[in-house]
Amino acid sequence: QSALTQPASVSGSPGQSITISCSGTSSDVGSYKFVSWYQQYPGKAPKLMIYEVSKRPSGVSDRFAGSKSGTTASLTISGLRAEDEADYYCCSYAGSSTLIFGGGTKLTVL
Amino acid sequence: QLQLRESGPGLVKPSETLSLSCTVSGASISSTSYYWDWIRQPPGKGLEWIASIYYTGTTYYNPSLKSRVTASVDTSKNQFSLKLSSVTAADTAVYYCARHSPVSGSYLWAFDIWGQGALVTVSS
Repeated sequence: QSALTQPASVSGSPGQSITISCSGTSSDVGSYKFVSWYQQYPGKAPKLMIYEVSKRPSGVSDRFAGSKSGTTASLTISGLRAEDEADYYCCSYAGSSTLIFGGGTKLTVL
Repeated sequence: QLQLRESGPGLVKPSETLSLSCTVSGASISSTSYYWDWIRQPPGKGLEWIASIYYTGTTYYNPSLKSRVTASVDTSKNQFSLKLSSVTAADTAVYYCARHSPVSGSYLWAFDIWGQGALVTVSS
């Protein structure tokens, strides 16, 4: 069970859109519609931003959108704001009631 | 309001066993809709799912850690616990407890509630 693959870092200017990819395999992302995304600020616990590939929990801005194609999931943040600067992690169900995270992506708002 | 709080020693010696507990407040750990999880994050690194436990005691473990991990639940105390044996410096991390639901109608297979995390350092 290897970690899902995310870019180490992405950046964008305020108002722009960015996309963070999360690459898995046919054993995890490719086989299930259970991909979630988390936002984490330094020293804080992660916060659920997206579940079941593209659903947003109550209270999460509609600037955050999730999608999936084959074995790659993506998180798109539109209308970037300074407050979006954080680490982002994807997570996928991997069968047999196990879960696997991505390595994380640091988002810098320029 | 549901809250999770980790507790346990912040320093563990190499080769010994790391033990943590998570106290659930604001809801019953015996809910049929949720599994309770342990997740860790080494300093400056990413998240790693360790284990899940149901209130009945059914457990699921990360295959890479399975030989060293034991999760347990105490419904009378509304707590669940983690033991990680034969620790090394590589086990130094912030350990989070969290919950997820495998039941349709909830945040399916996503961690919606997290504890604040507990730093455990493995050092002699």
